[in-house]
Amino acid sequence: DVKVTQSSRYLVKRTGEKVFLECVQDMDHENMFWYRQDPGLGLRLIYFSYDVKMKEKGDIPEGYSVSREKKERFSLILESASTNQTSMYLCASSLQGQGLNEQFFGPGTRLTVL
Amino acid sequence: GENVEQHPSTLSVQEGDSAVIKCTYSDSASNYFPWYKQELGKRPQLIIDIRSNVGEKKDQRIAVTLNKTAKHFSLHITETQPEDSAVYFCAASNDWGGSQGNLIFGKGTKLSVKP
Repeated sequence: DVKVTQSSRYLVKRTGEKVFLECVQDMDHENMFWYRQDPGLGLRLIYFSYDVKMKEKGDIPEGYSVSREKKERFSLILESASTNQTSMYLCASSLQGQGLNEQFFGPGTRLTVL
Repeated sequence: GENVEQHPSTLSVQEGDSAVIKCTYSDSASNYFPWYKQELGKRPQLIIDIRSNVGEKKDQRIAVTLNKTAKHFSLHITETQPEDSAVYFCAASNDWGGSQGNLIFGKGTKLSVKP
């Protein structure tokens, strides 16, 4: 059974703080993704990675960075948190290759920036 | 790039009725169309998917249809039950040529099934 875990379910930070959200998957998936989920806006892709040390911008990368030093771990970094980054953050992973696109999601981290 | 539109944003049905959610996509190269269900407070999970070489796929009470010419696909849930209440997301992707498997999601439909 694929397992994707995220470091925190709930997080409260102050404006200007540096925030780290971590995601770990145990199924040797090549692809990993970070989304934010806001009511009425669906799932918006922030960054994704298809290999160790590789990263690609998604639709809304501004204000975020990522790190993938190991295949199983993908970190999302908010360099200086702002109130408009209050949101639910979802991590996902998938295999590469034709017919293997199913993404497996983590439980999410609800981040509140005060 | 790909754009996925999903309608309606909310849907309320009586238990036992059918529910239909529709999505349109813009990129004719897209060839993979999954549907995810997200129950309240839980993570999205894949419930059914369809590829562009198939027009319809069914799994018990859920079915998905695809019209490549019109670039739209739909989720059909028959004999709805209260446990079908959730947010449903459609998505589109092109997995030919070694792409990284990015999914472009619709904005979601909140389905409420009233007992």
